Amino acid sequence: AQSVAQPEDQVNVAEGNPLTVKCTYSVSGNPYLFWYVQYPNRGLQFLLKYITGDNLVKGSYGFEAEFNKSQTSFHLKKPSALVSDSALYFCAVTAGGLTGGGNKLTFGTGTQLKVEL
Amino acid sequence: DGGITQSPKYLFRKEGQNVTLSCEQNLNHDAMYWYRQDPGQGLRLIYYSQIVNDFQKGDIAEGYSVSREKKESFPLTVTSAQKNPTAFYLCASSPGARANEKLFFGSGTQLSVL
Repeated sequence: AQSVAQPEDQVNVAEGNPLTVKCTYSVSGNPYLFWYVQYPNRGLQFLLKYITGDNLVKGSYGFEAEFNKSQTSFHLKKPSALVSDSALYFCAVTAGGLTGGGNKLTFGTGTQLKVEL
Repeated sequence: DGGITQSPKYLFRKEGQNVTLSCEQNLNHDAMYWYRQDPGQGLRLIYYSQIVNDFQKGDIAEGYSVSREKKESFPLTVTSAQKNPTAFYLCASSPGARANEKLFFGSGTQLSVL
């Protein structure tokens, strides 16, 4: 069975500092990895995905994520955090190469990012 | 959340009552999904539909029902059999049902029990 771990319930960072939100996964075969963001009382918004190719993936709002196959990780990063980045972040994984979209996705439990002045 | 409309934003259910959550999309997507979100538990799949007139149970389908009579609509009914319905419900869609596609989400419905 596939799984996702987001080991930190909350991450606090000062505005202007770099941020990292951690994600590790377990899946059979090649992984397809996603990051989504959720603002209060809203649905999730897609940030970025890794399917294949370059291990460093760039996404929306200046976010990027690094795929590390040996460590089975897909950490979300941003060089300089903004107060407006404060939100709930979800990592998700599915096994690549199979049919099936959202019905095959496994989500992590989410990490609350708080960026303070 | 563009293209997917969920209503109502807030819904209250009385004991023994069935309630229906609406989800409409104008993205011409084939696949639609219902997720339940509880604090600290991430998202869990209730039902999904990959094509009109077809739908499949997800991981936590008990106490819920759906229909997919039109491509753009995928309503979810929370029946009286669902004993713990209080949660945030999210509808999503994707162009097809391929593993590399991103999901588009609605803005959610918060369901509470009176």
